[in-house]
Amino acid sequence: NAGVTQTPKFQVLKTGQSMTLQCAQDMNHNSMYWYRQDPGMGLRLIYYSASEGTTDKGEVPNGYNVSRLNKREFSLRLESAAPSQTSVYFCAGGQGETDTQYFGPGTRLTVL
Amino acid sequence: DQQVKQNSPSLSVQEGRISILNCDYTNSMFDYFLWYKKYPAEGPTFLISISSIKDKNEDGRFTVFLNKSAKHLSLHIVPSQPGDSAVYFCAASALTGANNLFFGTGTRLTVIP
Repeated sequence: NAGVTQTPKFQVLKTGQSMTLQCAQDMNHNSMYWYRQDPGMGLRLIYYSASEGTTDKGEVPNGYNVSRLNKREFSLRLESAAPSQTSVYFCAGGQGETDTQYFGPGTRLTVL
Repeated sequence: DQQVKQNSPSLSVQEGRISILNCDYTNSMFDYFLWYKKYPAEGPTFLISISSIKDKNEDGRFTVFLNKSAKHLSLHIVPSQPGDSAVYFCAASALTGANNLFFGTGTRLTVIP
């Protein structure tokens, strides 16, 4: 039982390159989330998926797209990376009446 | 606009003493509150939560207090241990809306042996 896993752990991109961050969970969560964490900013929600087949924008969605491939997997895509997207990205899963979310280990992305 | 605020970026406490971490929120629709603990290079780990129908929740050394009228919550750690040294995030959500968490900016706790 790995919980929430993310790949890759680290990535360096050049401005304009694209990439997809992968997230998978084996906790049978209905909801999945993508956050970014920047110094002094806490965690901010990029996109979320309340259930398989649905996605919605969070607080900072610009420059990102997501896909809820199935119940287990939720990917985050940067179509044309910008230096402002340099951050640590966390995926989380959650379900139930409460909003307790369980986080993956994060992906540290640097855009040059 | 930051809806959840942690005004103390850092806190140092002697081992064995009490650690008190504070959090304020502005959105009166928030009705569920959580604390997460984060070590470097790891994801946040859920610590303890409280619903707005309660004013206190306890789990071992960790107790969360909620003052709805003041829109304030606090996390008490007693006794503090060196392994508690981490960044602590407060988070809040409105259960009647989308299941989104709003996070504070975190407080770095250092427990001195």
